[in-house]
Amino acid sequence: AQSVTQLGSHVSVSEGALVLLRCNYSSSVPPYLFWYVQYPNQGLQLLLKYTTGATLVKGINGFEAEFKKSETSFHLTKPSAHMSDAAEYFCAVSVGQQAGTALIFGKGTTLSVSS
Amino acid sequence: NAGVTQTPKFQVLKTGQSMTLQCAQDMNHEYMSWYRQDPGMGLRLIHYSVGAGITDQGEVPNGYNVSRSTTEDFPLRLLSAAPSQTSVYFCASKSGSNYGYTFGSGTRLTVV
Repeated sequence: AQSVTQLGSHVSVSEGALVLLRCNYSSSVPPYLFWYVQYPNQGLQLLLKYTTGATLVKGINGFEAEFKKSETSFHLTKPSAHMSDAAEYFCAVSVGQQAGTALIFGKGTTLSVSS
Repeated sequence: NAGVTQTPKFQVLKTGQSMTLQCAQDMNHEYMSWYRQDPGMGLRLIHYSVGAGITDQGEVPNGYNVSRSTTEDFPLRLLSAAPSQTSVYFCASKSGSNYGYTFGSGTRLTVV
């Protein structure tokens, strides 16, 4: 069965610092992986996804993630944090047939950015 | 606008009451799913459907029923609400031919 583990429920960085949010997955089939962001009292917004092909995936707002099969990881990074990046971030793996039917999420990581 | 519509946006129930959370999509997506979001727990998959008449259980199905009589609608039923079902509920849909999921804006449910 597929599962996702996000290491660190809370990450704090200074504005301009590197953002690294960790995600490890477990999947018995080639995984389709996603990162979502949720701002307070809002819905989910897709940051990026990995399906097939290039293992370094670029998303919105300067975020990117690298799929590493050997490490079963899909960590999210951003070179320079901005105050507006403060939010909760969720890693997810698609489950079900073919291109996926539904998502299994990690427990989330809250990113705080200080000036 | 095309998308996933969830109703109601807010609901307060008393313990033991029943209700249905509605989810409708107008994109002709085959796949639909329900999630609950709780602090510190992320989003957890409740039930999902791969098409009309076909549903399956997710991670936390107990206390919830679903049916899929049409492609467009995927209602979530709470037969006897419990305080532990206080949560924010999200519905999502997806086409079988691509990888992207479309989420509704959520229903905030409080059971007292």
